[in-house]
Amino acid sequence: SAVISQKPSRDICQRGTSLTIQCQVDSQVTMMFWYRQQPGQSLTLIATANQGSEATYESGFVIDKFPISRPNLTFSTLTVSNMSPEDSSIYLCSAGVGDGEGEAFFGQGTRLTVV
Amino acid sequence: GENVEQHPSTLSVQEGDSAVIKCTYSDSASNYFPWYKQELGKGPQLIIDIRSNVGEKKDQRIAVTLNKTAKHFSLHITETQPEDSAVYFCAANRGFSGGYNKLIFGAGTRLAVHP
Repeated sequence: SAVISQKPSRDICQRGTSLTIQCQVDSQVTMMFWYRQQPGQSLTLIATANQGSEATYESGFVIDKFPISRPNLTFSTLTVSNMSPEDSSIYLCSAGVGDGEGEAFFGQGTRLTVV
Repeated sequence: GENVEQHPSTLSVQEGDSAVIKCTYSDSASNYFPWYKQELGKGPQLIIDIRSNVGEKKDQRIAVTLNKTAKHFSLHITETQPEDSAVYFCAANRGFSGGYNKLIFGAGTRLAVHP
């Protein structure tokens, strides 16, 4: 398994500002992902965080709005840029063990409120 | 596009009864089907998963069944306890990319177990 820690656990931000969320895994993993969970909703994949190269974004998500870094095999950041109230969500980091052939584990999430 | 449908959206049972949650998926290339439990204020926790080469898997009070022909899989919880109360998500992997870890989630089922 993998233990995933996210910081911050929650934040209240002013519209127009940016927030960077950190994700730390307790072991080296090949696959890391970022998901969004809007209030009372399911999880939607934002992007795959690729180590040493640009992230791969899903339809509806763009790099200018959600820049992602992955400097090594245990750490990633997601930035939510130029925030609006519609960005209020829980942002979740996920890591896959076993080089993509094992289970995926999640952090506790970052609860973001934009006012 | 790929889709996972989950039913019911809410489920209320008496302690000791069984609970069944059903999901269908659309991507015929999916070969990995995890189930997650999410308690209030926490990230999703993997509780059981099944791969396409088996039809059923059991872990104590929890079991999952898979019908690949019908693209249908189900979660069964027996002898439910109040601590089973949570939101449960089914998921399927995107078969041709991301290995087992790039997941599409169902909408979730809110399970309430009453003493």
